[in-house]
Amino acid sequence: DTAVSQTPKYLVTQMGNDKSIKCEQNLGHDTMYWYKQDSKKFLKIMFSYNNKELIINETVPNRFSPKSPDKAHLNLHINSLELGDSAVYFCASSQDHREPYEQYFGPGTRLTVT
Amino acid sequence: AQSVTQLDSQVPVFEEAPVELRCNYSSSVSVYLFWYVQYPNQGLQLLLKYLSGSTLVKGINGFEAEFNKSQTSFHLRKPSVHISDTAEYFCAVSEDYGGSQGNLIFGKGTKLSVKP
Repeated sequence: DTAVSQTPKYLVTQMGNDKSIKCEQNLGHDTMYWYKQDSKKFLKIMFSYNNKELIINETVPNRFSPKSPDKAHLNLHINSLELGDSAVYFCASSQDHREPYEQYFGPGTRLTVT
Repeated sequence: AQSVTQLDSQVPVFEEAPVELRCNYSSSVSVYLFWYVQYPNQGLQLLLKYLSGSTLVKGINGFEAEFNKSQTSFHLRKPSVHISDTAEYFCAVSEDYGGSQGNLIFGKGTKLSVKP
Protein backbone atom coordinates (compact mmCIF):
# COMPACT_ATOMS: atom_id res chain seq x y z
CA ASP A 1 0.00 0.00 0.00
CA THR A 2 2.93 2.36 0.63
CA ALA A 3 3.10 4.94 -2.15
CA VAL A 4 6.85 5.59 -2.00
CA SER A 5 8.98 3.04 -0.20
CA GLN A 6 12.69 3.01 0.57
CA THR A 7 15.01 0.30 1.82
CA PRO A 8 16.76 0.12 4.12
CA LYS A 9 15.31 2.49 6.73
CA TYR A 10 18.60 2.58 8.64
CA LEU A 11 22.08 2.02 7.29
CA VAL A 12 25.22 2.07 9.43
CA THR A 13 28.51 1.54 7.66
CA GLN A 14 32.18 2.41 7.80
CA MET A 15 34.11 4.97 5.80
CA GLY A 16 35.28 3.72 2.46
CA ASN A 17 32.46 1.22 1.96
CA ASP A 18 30.02 1.19 -0.97
CA LYS A 19 26.30 1.09 -0.28
CA SER A 20 22.98 1.33 -2.10
CA ILE A 21 19.57 2.64 -1.17
CA LYS A 22 16.54 1.45 -3.08
CA CYS A 23 13.36 3.38 -3.85
CA GLU A 24 10.11 2.25 -5.41
CA GLN A 25 6.87 4.11 -6.11
CA ASN A 26 3.53 2.53 -6.98
CA LEU A 27 1.76 5.77 -7.92
CA GLY A 28 2.36 5.47 -11.64
CA HIS A 29 4.39 8.70 -11.59
CA ASP A 30 6.87 9.55 -14.31
CA THR A 31 9.36 11.51 -12.20
CA MET A 32 11.42 10.46 -9.18
CA TYR A 33 13.84 12.41 -6.98
CA TRP A 34 16.56 11.96 -4.39
CA TYR A 35 16.98 14.50 -1.58
CA LYS A 36 19.56 14.76 1.19
CA GLN A 37 18.56 16.10 4.62
CA ASP A 38 21.49 17.02 6.83
CA SER A 39 21.73 17.04 10.60
CA LYS A 40 20.23 20.54 10.72
CA LYS A 41 17.20 19.35 8.77
CA PHE A 42 18.24 21.26 5.64
CA LEU A 43 16.78 19.52 2.60
CA LYS A 44 18.44 19.70 -0.80
CA ILE A 45 17.68 18.00 -4.07
CA MET A 46 20.37 15.72 -5.48
CA PHE A 47 18.89 14.15 -8.62
CA SER A 48 15.68 13.70 -10.52
CA TYR A 49 14.76 11.22 -13.23
CA ASN A 50 11.85 11.32 -15.62
CA ASN A 51 10.92 7.99 -17.15
CA LYS A 52 14.47 6.67 -16.62
CA GLU A 53 16.09 9.82 -18.02
CA LEU A 54 18.25 12.10 -15.85
CA ILE A 55 16.66 15.56 -15.52
CA ILE A 56 18.25 17.25 -12.53
CA ASN A 57 21.80 16.66 -11.39
CA GLU A 58 22.81 19.11 -8.71
CA THR A 59 26.34 19.56 -7.47
CA VAL A 60 26.84 16.12 -6.01
CA PRO A 61 30.15 14.22 -5.80
CA ASN A 62 30.70 11.61 -8.49
CA ARG A 63 30.68 9.00 -5.74
CA PHE A 64 26.89 9.26 -5.86
CA SER A 65 25.33 7.48 -8.82
CA PRO A 66 21.59 7.16 -9.33
CA LYS A 67 20.19 4.30 -11.37
CA SER A 68 16.68 4.00 -12.71
CA PRO A 69 15.93 0.51 -14.12
CA ASP A 70 12.34 1.57 -14.83
CA LYS A 71 10.16 4.54 -14.05
CA ALA A 72 8.92 3.01 -10.79
CA HIS A 73 12.40 2.60 -9.33
CA LEU A 74 15.23 4.99 -8.58
CA ASN A 75 18.17 3.59 -6.65
CA LEU A 76 21.07 5.52 -5.18
CA HIS A 77 24.53 3.98 -5.08
CA ILE A 78 27.26 5.63 -3.04
CA ASN A 79 30.93 4.71 -3.44
CA SER A 80 33.74 5.28 -0.95
CA LEU A 81 31.49 6.59 1.79
CA GLU A 82 32.71 9.55 3.83
CA LEU A 83 31.72 10.88 7.25
CA GLY A 84 30.01 13.85 5.61
CA ASP A 85 27.64 11.53 3.78
CA SER A 86 25.85 10.85 7.05
CA ALA A 87 22.33 12.19 6.58
CA VAL A 88 18.77 11.16 5.92
CA TYR A 89 18.12 10.46 2.25
CA PHE A 90 14.60 10.87 0.92
CA CYS A 91 13.19 9.53 -2.28
CA ALA A 92 10.17 11.29 -3.80
CA SER A 93 8.01 11.07 -6.89
CA SER A 94 5.66 13.33 -8.82
CA GLN A 95 3.34 12.94 -11.75
CA ASP A 96 5.52 14.90 -14.19
CA HIS A 97 8.55 17.16 -13.66
CA ARG A 98 7.39 19.69 -16.25
CA GLU A 99 4.62 20.94 -13.98
CA PRO A 100 4.76 21.92 -10.28
CA TYR A 101 2.92 18.81 -9.13
CA GLU A 102 2.93 17.62 -5.53
CA GLN A 103 5.92 15.50 -4.65
CA TYR A 104 5.27 12.38 -2.57
CA PHE A 105 8.07 11.49 -0.20
CA GLY A 106 9.26 8.17 1.11
CA PRO A 107 9.96 7.61 4.83
CA GLY A 108 13.67 8.25 4.45
CA THR A 109 16.87 6.25 4.92
CA ARG A 110 19.08 7.32 7.79
CA LEU A 111 22.68 6.74 6.74
CA THR A 112 25.37 6.81 9.43
CA VAL A 113 28.98 6.59 8.35
CA THR A 114 31.48 5.79 11.12
CA ALA B 1 18.90 31.36 -8.27
CA GLN B 2 15.85 31.26 -6.12
CA SER B 3 16.03 31.13 -2.35
CA VAL B 4 13.65 30.67 0.56
CA THR B 5 14.01 32.16 4.03
CA GLN B 6 12.11 30.88 7.00
CA LEU B 7 12.61 33.52 9.62
CA ASP B 8 11.91 31.40 12.69
CA SER B 9 13.77 28.18 13.34
CA GLN B 10 11.51 27.33 16.30
CA VAL B 11 8.01 28.42 17.25
CA PRO B 12 6.62 27.28 20.60
CA VAL B 13 2.89 27.78 21.08
CA PHE B 14 0.16 26.61 23.43
CA GLU B 15 -2.62 24.32 22.27
CA GLU B 16 -5.63 26.11 20.73
CA ALA B 17 -3.60 29.29 20.15
CA PRO B 18 -3.19 30.72 16.64
CA VAL B 19 0.13 30.37 14.87
CA GLU B 20 1.91 31.96 11.91
CA LEU B 21 5.03 30.50 10.34
CA ARG B 22 6.85 33.00 8.18
CA CYS B 23 8.36 32.39 4.76
CA ASN B 24 9.98 34.81 2.30
CA TYR B 25 11.29 33.92 -1.14
CA SER B 26 13.49 35.60 -3.72
CA SER B 27 11.54 37.09 -6.59
CA SER B 28 11.22 35.47 -9.97
CA VAL B 29 9.12 35.72 -13.12
CA SER B 30 6.84 32.90 -12.14
CA VAL B 31 6.55 31.55 -8.65
CA TYR B 32 5.18 28.29 -7.43
CA LEU B 33 5.18 28.02 -3.63
CA PHE B 34 4.64 25.11 -1.29
CA TRP B 35 4.41 24.25 2.38
CA TYR B 36 5.39 20.74 3.43
CA VAL B 37 5.15 19.20 6.91
CA GLN B 38 7.47 16.58 8.35
CA TYR B 39 6.29 14.67 11.41
CA PRO B 40 8.99 13.05 13.56
CA ASN B 41 10.82 10.24 11.77
CA GLN B 42 8.68 10.53 8.66
CA GLY B 43 8.93 11.86 5.14
CA LEU B 44 7.47 15.16 4.00
CA GLN B 45 3.80 15.64 3.21
CA LEU B 46 2.28 18.49 1.21
CA LEU B 47 0.16 20.91 3.25
CA LEU B 48 -0.75 23.34 0.49
CA LYS B 49 0.57 25.03 -2.63
CA TYR B 50 0.18 28.26 -4.56
CA LEU B 51 0.38 28.07 -8.35
CA SER B 52 -1.83 30.97 -9.50
CA GLY B 53 -5.19 32.59 -8.86
CA SER B 54 -6.49 33.40 -5.38
CA THR B 55 -3.73 34.52 -3.08
CA LEU B 56 -5.31 32.77 -0.10
CA VAL B 57 -4.67 29.07 -0.27
CA LYS B 58 -6.32 26.53 2.00
CA GLY B 59 -4.64 23.24 2.76
CA ILE B 60 -5.06 20.15 4.86
CA ASN B 61 -5.45 20.03 8.64
CA GLY B 62 -6.91 23.55 8.82
CA PHE B 63 -3.81 25.34 7.55
CA GLU B 64 -3.88 28.22 5.10
CA ALA B 65 -1.30 30.49 3.54
CA GLU B 66 -1.37 33.84 1.80
CA PHE B 67 0.74 34.70 -1.19
CA ASN B 68 1.91 38.32 -1.09
CA LYS B 69 3.78 39.26 -4.22
CA SER B 70 4.80 42.75 -3.11
CA GLN B 71 6.32 41.43 0.10
CA THR B 72 7.55 38.20 -1.52
CA SER B 73 6.04 36.25 1.33
CA PHE B 74 4.02 33.07 1.75
CA HIS B 75 3.22 32.84 5.46
CA LEU B 76 1.46 29.79 6.87
CA ARG B 77 -1.31 30.20 9.44
CA LYS B 78 -3.63 28.15 11.58
CA PRO B 79 -6.24 29.76 13.85
CA SER B 80 -6.10 27.06 16.53
CA VAL B 81 -3.32 24.47 16.80
CA HIS B 82 -3.44 20.97 18.25
CA ILE B 83 -0.77 18.90 19.94
CA SER B 84 -0.71 16.75 16.80
CA ASP B 85 0.50 19.75 14.76
CA THR B 86 3.91 19.46 16.42
CA ALA B 87 6.26 18.93 13.49
CA GLU B 88 8.83 20.55 11.23
CA TYR B 89 7.38 22.81 8.54
CA PHE B 90 9.18 23.56 5.30
CA CYS B 91 8.45 26.31 2.83
CA ALA B 92 9.62 25.64 -0.73
CA VAL B 93 9.71 27.33 -4.11
CA SER B 94 9.83 25.59 -7.45
CA GLU B 95 12.81 26.70 -9.54
CA ASP B 96 12.74 26.34 -13.30
CA TYR B 97 15.54 23.92 -14.16
CA GLY B 98 15.79 23.75 -17.93
CA GLY B 99 12.03 23.42 -18.28
CA SER B 100 11.60 21.21 -15.23
CA GLN B 101 9.44 22.53 -12.39
CA GLY B 102 10.42 19.70 -10.10
CA ASN B 103 13.43 21.45 -8.61
CA LEU B 104 12.17 22.40 -5.16
CA ILE B 105 14.28 24.85 -3.19
CA PHE B 106 13.51 24.41 0.49
CA GLY B 107 13.84 26.78 3.41
CA LYS B 108 15.66 25.59 6.50
CA GLY B 109 12.45 24.63 8.26
CA THR B 110 10.51 25.84 11.30
CA LYS B 111 9.98 23.51 14.21
CA LEU B 112 6.49 24.04 15.61
CA SER B 113 6.11 22.80 19.18
CA VAL B 114 2.58 22.78 20.56
CA LYS B 115 2.34 22.57 24.32
CA PRO B 116 -0.69 21.60 26.39
